[in-house]
Amino acid sequence: DAMVIQNPRYQVTQFGKPVTLSCSQTLNHNVMYWYQQKSSQAPKLLFHYYDKDFNNEADTPDNFQSRRPNTSFCFLDIRSPGLGDAAMYLCATRRGGLYGNQPQHFGDGTRLSIL
Amino acid sequence: SQQGEEDPQALSIQEGENATMNCSYKTSINNLQWYRQNSGRGLVHLILIRSNEREKHSGRLRVTLDTSKKSSSLLITASRAADTASYFCATDAYPSYDKVIFGPGTSLSVIP
Repeated sequence: DAMVIQNPRYQVTQFGKPVTLSCSQTLNHNVMYWYQQKSSQAPKLLFHYYDKDFNNEADTPDNFQSRRPNTSFCFLDIRSPGLGDAAMYLCATRRGGLYGNQPQHFGDGTRLSIL
Repeated sequence: SQQGEEDPQALSIQEGENATMNCSYKTSINNLQWYRQNSGRGLVHLILIRSNEREKHSGRLRVTLDTSKKSSSLLITASRAADTASYFCATDAYPSYDKVIFGPGTSLSVIP
């Protein structure tokens, strides 16, 4: 089945140690998103790619970076994780254009813990 | 922010009852979507309603949209224990069709 896959499901890193989360998709969608979700809160959009065009949210910390080497893969890099970055990170894809009238497809997320 | 409130924040009902959740938003939208999230999992798309639509059905789900009041509601009829989850509405951040912003969500518990 076509899907969005996030690896790993659980990631533990040390305070200040860089970490990379990955997302892959077999849907061939041109738009990919990264969201941060803390406990009992809504997903918060960090950035999204429309094809290769990167769109950063104004309130996304500089500590968060992203790469999209091709249509299928997208990475979230946290350069110096702080305790406040512990959260679930969700990747989503969407078929862009069509006035946005397409649903997002989500992976199961990576839960990041900071020691 | 783009989104307003979802109400209620938490809802507990008996199996077989109907559950209604409401969502409000602040600016013009192109469409509004509802998603479900089971604990520890990703979000699953339930239904999309376009700004020129007023009501949409999918199985036991009924969504209404009132663009004059900038609000939407999700009705789940004949609820089941398996419906226990968090429910979020989401809108595109007009005029950016591809930027999707979520509301705070409603946590639904269906008691068997």
